[in-house]
Amino acid sequence: DTAVSQTPKYLVTQMGNDKSIKCEQNLGHDTMYWYKQDSKKFLKIMFSYNNKELIINETVPNRFSPKSPDKAHLNLHINSLELGDSAVYFCASSHWDRNNEQFFGPGTRLTVL
Amino acid sequence: QKEVEQDPGPLSVPEGAIVSLNCTYSNSAFQYFMWYRQYSRKGPELLMYTYSSGNKEDGRFTAQVDKSSKYISLFIRDSQPSDSATYLCAMSAGYTNAGKSTFGDGTTLTVKP
Repeated sequence: DTAVSQTPKYLVTQMGNDKSIKCEQNLGHDTMYWYKQDSKKFLKIMFSYNNKELIINETVPNRFSPKSPDKAHLNLHINSLELGDSAVYFCASSHWDRNNEQFFGPGTRLTVL
Repeated sequence: QKEVEQDPGPLSVPEGAIVSLNCTYSNSAFQYFMWYRQYSRKGPELLMYTYSSGNKEDGRFTAQVDKSSKYISLFIRDSQPSDSATYLCAMSAGYTNAGKSTFGDGTTLTVKP
């Protein structure tokens, strides 16, 4: 059984387009995260949600808009894609009171041409 | 200066060697110290974590934290080719910082048969 899943796995698109990435977890966690990993493997948090409430918003351009319809889902919508948005985006989840133990999804590799 | 600095690598060792992976940090508020392993084109997976100073052992893996020196290490004994991956240290201040984890840049390890 997949614990944290993301769709799509690969996304290739043109500059200026709008795209969405979906994330779902079946671990019963109440906190979910989006991370961006650049080509040098640096993993940086973008957002976190606890019980559908935004907790962390790390100086991310407002072209990025997360949405949490329920505790098991956290989606990421990106408007007006730029070349610098090319990266691997990871979703993760945890229990709020064990937020140091995060479970990551397989990643979505976004390439902006 | 980054809050978390990790020995850059890459590291290449023969099978059976003892491997030492290291990180330093500057934020005194960090209380949780994690090590994640990331295989190529996969999401990070939590190997182990330590709360505050001390050692923790799990099979061939030992995590050490020295808060007085702001220095953490992960030791791998009897390294195996299956240990070849990128290792990411991560740190968190827990609830006082909304559970945010700050990651090092990762060290890529290759264990040669």
